[in-house]
Amino acid sequence: NAGVMQNPRHLVRRRGQEARLRCSPMKGHSHVYWYRQLPEEGLKFMVYLQKENIIDESGMPKERFSAEFPKEGPSILRIQQVVRGDSAAYFCASSPQDQGVYGYTFGSGTRLTVV
Amino acid sequence: DAKTTQPTSMDCAEGRAANLPCNHSTISGNEYVYWYRQIHSQGPQYIIHGLKNNETNEMASLIITEDRKSSTLILPHATLRDTAVYYCIVRVSNDYKLSFGAGTTVTVRA
Repeated sequence: NAGVMQNPRHLVRRRGQEARLRCSPMKGHSHVYWYRQLPEEGLKFMVYLQKENIIDESGMPKERFSAEFPKEGPSILRIQQVVRGDSAAYFCASSPQDQGVYGYTFGSGTRLTVV
Repeated sequence: DAKTTQPTSMDCAEGRAANLPCNHSTISGNEYVYWYRQIHSQGPQYIIHGLKNNETNEMASLIITEDRKSSTLILPHATLRDTAVYYCIVRVSNDYKLSFGAGTTVTVRA
């Protein structure tokens, strides 16, 4: 029973390039959440998606960042025209439809380095 | 969500119990106490949660004071693999967001 799968584990991009981070939720999970962890800081909520719907993107930067969770395939976090301040660990979590009180399962993250 | 306060760091001897405190004096009646940990270079891992009763699972025990203003996570027999940052979080049961603070960096020493 595979957990939440994120790829790539490490991603290096030059300033101005695009970064695409992928997240495959656990089997049977239809809800996906993205978090960002800047160096020496705690995780911060970015966006909550269900299949083909963005439920809450209150934590997403207003520009350059977008997320999707298509009907088929993984969830994608896309960062356009990356800057050095985007360097961080990006974590995805998933949960079943009725999350209840049990929280959710995180992936191992993608570490983005912008050079 | 209520704010939590945790010590910045603590050391623990391997094989001994590790007691991690957390203050949440502004917790509301419908907010649960959750504990997660993050081992270096990994995603956060759920440990345990509770509302007002003490809880125990295969990983840890959670002791919540009667007034619910503080709690203690107990790792009964710490191992080197328990070295991690431990986060105490309070949230209502149907809230999909987790608010991570700085947590407590726990170092288990041989």
